[in-house]
Amino acid sequence: GQQLNQSPQSMFIQEGEDVSMNCTSSSIFNTWLWYKQDPGEGPVLLIALYKAGELTSNGRLTAQFGITRKDSFLNISASIPSDVGIYFCAGRPNTGNQFYFGTGTSLTVIP
Amino acid sequence: ETGVTQTPRHLVMGMTNKKSLKCEQHLGHNAMYWYKQSAKKPLELMFVYNFKEQTENNSVPSRFSPECPNSSHLFLHLHTLQPEDSALYLCASSQLLGGGGNEQFFGPGTRLTVL
Repeated sequence: GQQLNQSPQSMFIQEGEDVSMNCTSSSIFNTWLWYKQDPGEGPVLLIALYKAGELTSNGRLTAQFGITRKDSFLNISASIPSDVGIYFCAGRPNTGNQFYFGTGTSLTVIP
Repeated sequence: ETGVTQTPRHLVMGMTNKKSLKCEQHLGHNAMYWYKQSAKKPLELMFVYNFKEQTENNSVPSRFSPECPNSSHLFLHLHTLQPEDSALYLCASSQLLGGGGNEQFFGPGTRLTVL
């Protein structure tokens, strides 16, 4: 099946710093989703993207649908301790209805 | 609270047991999904139901048996599992199966341990 490469695998940052992570695929996607998962919980949808080049914000979070349609980026500005968790990307190719998920970026915010 | 609930949250079972996982969505969605989440691996899609009809079975072993009696409820029946089946089992739902409105909303998961 499809493989999504998500990087970095983990990040340790100081509170107040900005964070960037990305996801790349080997084929063209028509939808990108970004999720956050806290320990012992299911993933929570943060942002959904549907068009190449689209830039969408949700509070301090901003995500972009890459213009090549093979990548997506998530930025978190002015990180706070509650941003700690695992962030997943998910993408849906042009054919089929299945979403494919990245392996996650584990974020640790040091107060 | 995402509108998708799962019970039980934790389950420990022996390899000869039979148990069931339950998922309920309160979002009025038409598609429901079972995923398996193992450490260090991407979420693995197991089953997809659209308007109560199974549309996807991702080569899942027959010891996992799904059931979807209506668009709001989804079950995963488990029997004669193996220790490697231990994982977090996530249920999700979406308004539609494809096109716009296909964003998936997840439940909190059932942490399954097979002894």
